[in-house]
Amino acid sequence: ETGVTQSPTHLIKTRGQQVTLRCSSQSGHNTVSWYQQALGQGPQFIFQYYREEENGRGNFPPRFSGLQFPNYSSELNVNALELDDSALYLCASSLRGVDSGNTIYFGEGSWLTVV
Amino acid sequence: DAKTTQPPSMDCAEGRAANLPCNHSTISGNEYVYWYRQIHSQGPQYIIHGLKNNETNEMASLIITEDRKSSTLILPHATLRDTAVYYCIVRSRNNAGNMLTFGGGTRLMVKP
Repeated sequence: ETGVTQSPTHLIKTRGQQVTLRCSSQSGHNTVSWYQQALGQGPQFIFQYYREEENGRGNFPPRFSGLQFPNYSSELNVNALELDDSALYLCASSLRGVDSGNTIYFGEGSWLTVV
Repeated sequence: DAKTTQPPSMDCAEGRAANLPCNHSTISGNEYVYWYRQIHSQGPQYIIHGLKNNETNEMASLIITEDRKSSTLILPHATLRDTAVYYCIVRSRNNAGNMLTFGGGTRLMVKP
């Protein structure tokens, strides 16, 4: 039990639609990030948020966007869904320190299927 | 962050120690070694991390060679529930956020 909760756990969307995934980070954690994991692959970093601002982004197009709220919860929004967006979307949270010796905890993910 | 190399798969007998190797020959002095595992269809689970010294917790031990170019994750008494994909990740001390670069990992199969 990591204290990172995600919703919904599973959902099906149609190509071209928009989707919003939600994440509640572990209590006290101020940094949240999102990953995409396609079937059979390792997780790929999408972006991260620190103090409600995007603070690093991977190789994903602008139709992937996010928000972090004052309580440190977060949303991932994907517009104009494509079939290749079908994947497990993972949220991770940590308490940002002076270096990277902090531990990053993952949620159980949201399975998105685009048809 | 430095790249890591892991064998794609390993088998281990239940009750025996599982030793999972990781090569990170280009690691620099300010990079940590992290281990995560992912059981089918679940989120990655943090196991352990270290910088220079060997580390042990309730889940596993991490042995880092003196030159830091490789490490071994040891599960002392593997159970069937330890069957998972294990990821070795190198992370810069300057990377204080949540960005981790996952490679292919090692698929560990624990057999009765």
